[in-house]
Amino acid sequence: TQLLEQSPQFLSIQEGENLTVYCNSSSVFSSLQWYRQEPGEGPVLLVTVVTGGEVKKLKRLTFQFGDARKDSSLHITAAQPGDTGLYLCAGISSSGTYKYIFGTGTRLKVLA
Amino acid sequence: DTGVSQNPRHKITKRGQNVTFRCDPISEHNRLYWYRQTLGQGPEFLTYFQNEAQLEKSRLLSDRFSAERPKGSFSTLEIQRTEQGDSAMYLCASSSASVLFGSGTRLTVV
Repeated sequence: TQLLEQSPQFLSIQEGENLTVYCNSSSVFSSLQWYRQEPGEGPVLLVTVVTGGEVKKLKRLTFQFGDARKDSSLHITAAQPGDTGLYLCAGISSSGTYKYIFGTGTRLKVLA
Repeated sequence: DTGVSQNPRHKITKRGQNVTFRCDPISEHNRLYWYRQTLGQGPEFLTYFQNEAQLEKSRLLSDRFSAERPKGSFSTLEIQRTEQGDSAMYLCASSSASVLFGSGTRLTVV
């Protein structure tokens, strides 16, 4: 059972467009992390959200943690080709497991 | 210490051979994770160590897979009698607060 579902799975957009990626779960998470991964490399941490309702900004990227700490979103403004990659959400659910699990991933391609 | 280090970066092996991968975590991190990732998918959890204790193992970690972290520092992941289905990227991560990843070992079984 996949505890973290991401949508969309694939996204191909033109440079300059905005987009939002969603990460949803039926479980509560103490925190969620977002990563970006390029082919042949390990995931690189972008941000950690901890408090329900929290919003964090990283240049053109805006991250939000849901009030109930069951979901999160990543919004990219004015996407650039350099934003191309696999975006992953991840976290440890509050159900008592040690498993740090990943979402299903969103593969983003930004066309010049 | 610049981050999580994994060796080798790439490994090609014949079916039936044994392989061992090494992970050197960030020195002050006491938690260490192993994951397997196939093309286009998110990483799948394999196992977790806190210091030298292996606290959780996925059912994906079959009898042919074993992981150790003998002194609570580096860790090894061994795959015995490799199969073509074992071909994947094997990722190691360590954490104190945030979980940080190495660059992975790409295994190809031919």
